[in-house]
Amino acid sequence: SQTIHQWPATLVQPVGSPLSLECTVEGTSNPNLYWYRQAAGRGLQLLFYSVGIGQISSEVPQNLSASRPQDRQFILSSKKLLLSDSGFYLCAWSGGTPMGEQYFGPGTRLTVT
Amino acid sequence: QQQVKQSPQSLIVQKGGISIINCAYENTAFDYFPWYQQFPGKGPALLIAIRPDVSEKKEGRFTISFNKSAKQFSLHIMDSQPGDSATYFCAASLGLNAGGTSYGKLTFGQGTILTVHP
Repeated sequence: SQTIHQWPATLVQPVGSPLSLECTVEGTSNPNLYWYRQAAGRGLQLLFYSVGIGQISSEVPQNLSASRPQDRQFILSSKKLLLSDSGFYLCAWSGGTPMGEQYFGPGTRLTVT
Repeated sequence: QQQVKQSPQSLIVQKGGISIINCAYENTAFDYFPWYQQFPGKGPALLIAIRPDVSEKKEGRFTISFNKSAKQFSLHIMDSQPGDSATYFCAASLGLNAGGTSYGKLTFGQGTILTVHP
């Protein structure tokens, strides 16, 4: 069965510091991968998606970037965090089925102070 | 045209009652409509989903009703239980067959906080 992991689970970082969040998927190959941000416990906003190694598409211009160095690894980064980057970051994967079902990871709670 | 509007924002139901959450969309090209359930501090979990070629799908106590002409779909939770208390999100996407460009990107509603009182 497929499993999706995210770490760290929680993170507190000062403004201006760098960020690296990691997401890995097990039990599948060549998944589509997605990064979402959820603010204030409501509403998920798609940030980035990837259909293959090194292929990243950005949905919203912002202070963040994403990379996919391996087939089942997706990384969300920032060089300098802003207060507005605080939120709940969720990684998701889909297996390319016709329905395109997406399955979410446990999330990372980021607080920028 | 990519919006999905969800209502109500919050809902209180007594145990055993029926919970109904509604969503409306604008993009007639959407062809996949999932519902997610999210508990505090957890990632959303896929609950049930429907394609527009059917008007209703039922899985246990959860039913999706779909009205293509009205561009609306709803989630019905029968015999609601306190354990159903969570935030529910509807979503829509172009699926993975829309000319190879949609990549299954989901557009989410703003969520409904459901509270089921014992």
